[in-house]
Amino acid sequence: QVQLVESGGGVVQPGGSLRLSCAASGFTFSSYGMHWVRQAPGKGLAWVAFIRFDGSNKYYADSVKGRFTISRDNSKNTLYLQVNSLRAEDTAVYYCAKDPTVVMPTAPNYWGQGTLVTVSS
Amino acid sequence: QLVLTQSPSASASLGASVKLTCTLSSGHSSYAIAWHQQQPEKGPRYLMKLNSDGSHSKGDGIPDRFSGSRFGAERYLTISSLQSEDEADYYCQTWGTGTVVFGGGTKLTVL
Repeated sequence: QVQLVESGGGVVQPGGSLRLSCAASGFTFSSYGMHWVRQAPGKGLAWVAFIRFDGSNKYYADSVKGRFTISRDNSKNTLYLQVNSLRAEDTAVYYCAKDPTVVMPTAPNYWGQGTLVTVSS
Repeated sequence: QLVLTQSPSASASLGASVKLTCTLSSGHSSYAIAWHQQQPEKGPRYLMKLNSDGSHSKGDGIPDRFSGSRFGAERYLTISSLQSEDEADYYCQTWGTGTVVFGGGTKLTVL
């Protein structure tokens, strides 16, 4: 069955960086687009970024453009999110999610359990 | 601007039915959406995609108690025979070219 396992979260100071990872299994990872979605404490879901199946095209929410970078390694079945210049408002649980399509973001149909990023001095 | 609007809360009794509403912004009334469920302290779970023609495709293992429908710019999620485990946050979600939008979520309380 499809499994998505995030890791790499932690406590980081404002202005700091982290790299989040999402290990995928149970499906042909290289054939699907992938998302990152986050959820601030007590708040709703907010889309962060999408990468197409081959990594050749990426899309970002305005709030993270220029600071976050989504990437993937299809040989390792792993999705990444490099988060730089972190702000307090980036504090959230970060979920990776699989899209049922290939090149453009639609509706995620599988989700991971999330990894918590806390930005605090 | 593509926006989804949901009521913050809803409640219904155990065994009853409830209909949650998600409204698309002006000019986007033909868009497809998806519904996701998030039980307390868990990651989200995909429930279904509701297509622009009114058909829907459910996620793996989603029971028949969950169904979707539409009228104009409104999209609905109906849950029948409510069970205690249906108490959760429900998010509608849609997409445009290169962007994804979530509604604010509806917290469903099962009485």
